[in-house]
Amino acid sequence: DAKTTQPTSMDCAEGRAANLPCNHSTISGNEYVYWYRQIHSQGPQYIIHGLKNNETNEMASLIITEDRKSSTLILPHATLRDTAVYYCIVRVRGGNKLVFGAGTILRVKS
Amino acid sequence: ETGVTQTPRHLVMGMTNKKSLKCEQHLGHNAMYWYKQSAKKPLELMFVYNFKEQTENNSVPSRFSPECPNSSHLFLHLHTLQPEDSALYLCASSNDRTVNYGYTFGSGTRLTVV
Repeated sequence: DAKTTQPTSMDCAEGRAANLPCNHSTISGNEYVYWYRQIHSQGPQYIIHGLKNNETNEMASLIITEDRKSSTLILPHATLRDTAVYYCIVRVRGGNKLVFGAGTILRVKS
Repeated sequence: ETGVTQTPRHLVMGMTNKKSLKCEQHLGHNAMYWYKQSAKKPLELMFVYNFKEQTENNSVPSRFSPECPNSSHLFLHLHTLQPEDSALYLCASSNDRTVNYGYTFGSGTRLTVV
């Protein structure tokens, strides 16, 4: 599975949009981009995934560049409860390994 | 509550003890996983089970022994652990036949080896 690069940490003001970038320049054509988050001392939580089209659900939006070498997770109105580590993972659909990197620590501040 | 239940939530054990961690899911998922998360480190995949069969063991020491009696239950048997094995142990499940293909994680067992 392709590697990803994320910033170590980011800050965001409460109520503003949080835009979390991820680089995956070696992504293959059959690999999906997944986002998970982990709130302190809890298990990771699935957020969203996509292949090449932009995706939106009740939690977030995922914007994937046309060349698929990078993506951005958008939390439209960040709250204090969104403070967590956010992981960007690329993985073949149906592949049975989800490999986590260090992720981005997002701190939402009031 | 995620649908994946782990017990106990916290465990303190001595290096000579034998204990077991339990994971249970009733989501109809076919695959289950054990992950280890040490302090300030990324999650490390330990074991993968698919339809009760172990499909991956990431060079985990034999003092960790997994057991998967059916697709809904997963155990991690622990014996003669070391203090460096203290960590958060997370169980997850997935169903590769669904559109989502996402993993559902439990809340973890916080293990302290003394």
